[in-house]
Amino acid sequence: DIQMTQSPSSLAASAGDRVTITCRASQNIKTYLNWYQQKPGKVPKILIYGASNLHGGVPSRFSGSGSETDFTLTISSLQPEDFATYYCQQSYGVPYTFGQGTKLEIK
Amino acid sequence: EVKLLESGGGLVQPGGSLRLSCEASGFIFSDHAMRWVRQAPGKGLEWVSGINGAGGSAYYAGSVQGRFTVSRDNSKGTLYLQMNSLRADDTAIYFCARVLTVGTFKTLDYWGQGTLVTVAS
Repeated sequence: DIQMTQSPSSLAASAGDRVTITCRASQNIKTYLNWYQQKPGKVPKILIYGASNLHGGVPSRFSGSGSETDFTLTISSLQPEDFATYYCQQSYGVPYTFGQGTKLEIK
Repeated sequence: EVKLLESGGGLVQPGGSLRLSCEASGFIFSDHAMRWVRQAPGKGLEWVSGINGAGGSAYYAGSVQGRFTVSRDNSKGTLYLQMNSLRADDTAIYFCARVLTVGTFKTLDYWGQGTLVTVAS
C-alpha cells in the first residue's frame, strides 16, 4: 500500500497568516493527489484534486502543488472558517490511502 | 441536489455482522463509482472500499479484505457494505462518497453524513 505522511500533525496560526501543509507519498504517485478539509462534526469537503486543481466553489486562497512524492497545500491568507483538519489522499493506486491529517488551530 | 443517506449502523458484538446501505439521489447513480470511507472516533479518515459504476469491479483496504463486501443495486440507486467478522477496531463512522472523475483524476465530491458502527460486547 502507498503510505501518505502529512506534516505537521498540528499547526497553530492566526487569521491572515500564510500556511503550508506538506504531504509525502511512499512512492511516485505522479499528481494523483487530493486535499480535503474537515470541520468538527462535519463531513470532509474536497478542496483540490490532481495536486493543483481547485474544485469548483473553493476559494482561490487555497492552492496545491507538487508531483511524484512531495506535495503541498497552501492557504494564502487564513480566514476564520479555515480552521479545520486537512487530509491528503492519493488516487494513484488501490487502496486510495489518506494521510493522517493536519489539524489547523487558532493561535 | 445530490444526496447520499447511509443507514444500517448500530451496536454489534465482536464476530457479528452488519449491512450498511447508502441511498443516492439527485444524479445518475450508475454513472459514478462509489466509495466507503470510515473514521474511528477522534481519528483520521480511512479508505475502506470502492466499486465501479457498473458494479463489476470492487476494491478493499487490506484491513477489511475477506471480511467486507461492497455491492450496489443501480436500479435502486443504493450502495451496500456487508461487514462480517466484525472487530473492535472496525468501530467508526462509515461514510459513503461519490467519485468524481475529471480526466484521469478521481476524487470524492459528495459525502453522506455517515452511520456509526460500534463493535463491543
